[in-house]
Formats: sequence, structure tokens, C-alpha cells
Amino acid sequence: DAMVIQNPRYQVTQFGKPVTLSCSQTLNHNVMYWYQQKSSQAPKLLFHYYDKDFNNEADTPDNFQSRRPNTSFCFLDIRSPGLGDAAMYLCATSNGQENQPQHFGDGTRLSIL
Amino acid sequence: GQNIDQPTEMTATEGAIVQINCTYQTSGFNGLFWYQQHAGEAPTFLSYNVLDGLEEKGRFSSFLSRSKGYSYLLLKELQMKDSASYLCAVRDSNYQLIWGAGTKLIIKP
Repeated sequence: DAMVIQNPRYQVTQFGKPVTLSCSQTLNHNVMYWYQQKSSQAPKLLFHYYDKDFNNEADTPDNFQSRRPNTSFCFLDIRSPGLGDAAMYLCATSNGQENQPQHFGDGTRLSIL
Repeated sequence: GQNIDQPTEMTATEGAIVQINCTYQTSGFNGLFWYQQHAGEAPTFLSYNVLDGLEEKGRFSSFLSRSKGYSYLLLKELQMKDSASYLCAVRDSNYQLIWGAGTKLIIKP
């Protein structure tokens, strides 16, 4: 089945220690998104790629970076995680058409020690 | 600013019907989505409305009134597995998705 896969499901890192979360897709969608979601809150868009074009949200901290080496893969790098970065990180894809939804991976729950 | 309002939590009984409301104020409108999200899992797509009226899909229906900035999700014949959060999201004039915080639905036997 075509899908969006995030690894790992759970990630624990130390305060200030860089961490990378990964996302891959078999849907061949040209748009990929990274969201941060904290408990009982709306998903917060961090950035998205339309093909190779990177779009950063204005309020995304510089601590968060992203890479998309090809259509299928996208990475979220957190350079110096703080306690406030503990959250669920969701990757989503879409084909960019108006009436089409975003398809989400299962997410990576990040804990900071 | 842009805003999506949904009730924080609702409780309903197994087998009953529940309506979850969503009101929005966004810069432009290019469609409204409803997603279901079980605890600790990713959101899954339920429905899409871009024109006024009711869209029915099995036990779930979604209604839109663009003039009122209002939508609702109607769940019929509730099952225990419907216990989840339901998120309303609106695509604005820049085609960005604006998300509500979700409504946690608790189903009681």
C-alpha cells in the first residue's frame, strides 16, 4: 500500500543534542510537510516543500532545519533540542491539488531528557 | 488573524448521533477538511467540503455554510472506536491549511 512512513515512532534525545527525524513516502506526492503537535493542540506547520522549493513558516525557530534530497525522503533536523521541543512530529504529503487531503505518517514522538 | 473554533470536548452514547461544530475566520477560503485523530496517532482524512451543503460518507456527514463561516461533522450510529479527536482545517487564500485544536469525542457505552 502507498503510504507515508516515519522513523522512529519514538525518539529520546538529550537536551542540546542534535536529532534527525525521517519521513519517506511511496505516494509520489510533490508536496511534503513537517508539523509539530503538542498535546490537545492543533498541528503547527513548521515548513513544507513543493518539489524542491522550500517554504519556511515565519515563526519556525532557526533551531529547526529540513532537507529533501529526493521526492521520496524528507528529514527534520533539530540542532539543539530544548525541553519545549518535546512533541509529536508529523510528516504529511499531498499532490498539491485543491480538493486532495494531506496524508500523514504515524508521527515521531520526541522526548527530551 | 486567522482562527478556527471547535468545542474542546464532547461526550456521547454508543449508538447515538453527535454533531461537532467548527466556525472559522480565515483570509479567504479554498475548502474545509475534517480529520480524525486517535490518541497518539496521526490524523486521518474524513471529508472535504468546498461548496455549501451536506456531504455524506457512510456514518459520517459534513456540512458547510461559507456565508456563516461554519461547518459541522455529523457522526451517526456511534461506535466505541469513534472515540478520538476530530480536527477541522480550512485552506486559506494562500492554500495554507489552518488547523483547529480538535474536539475530543468520548463515547460511553
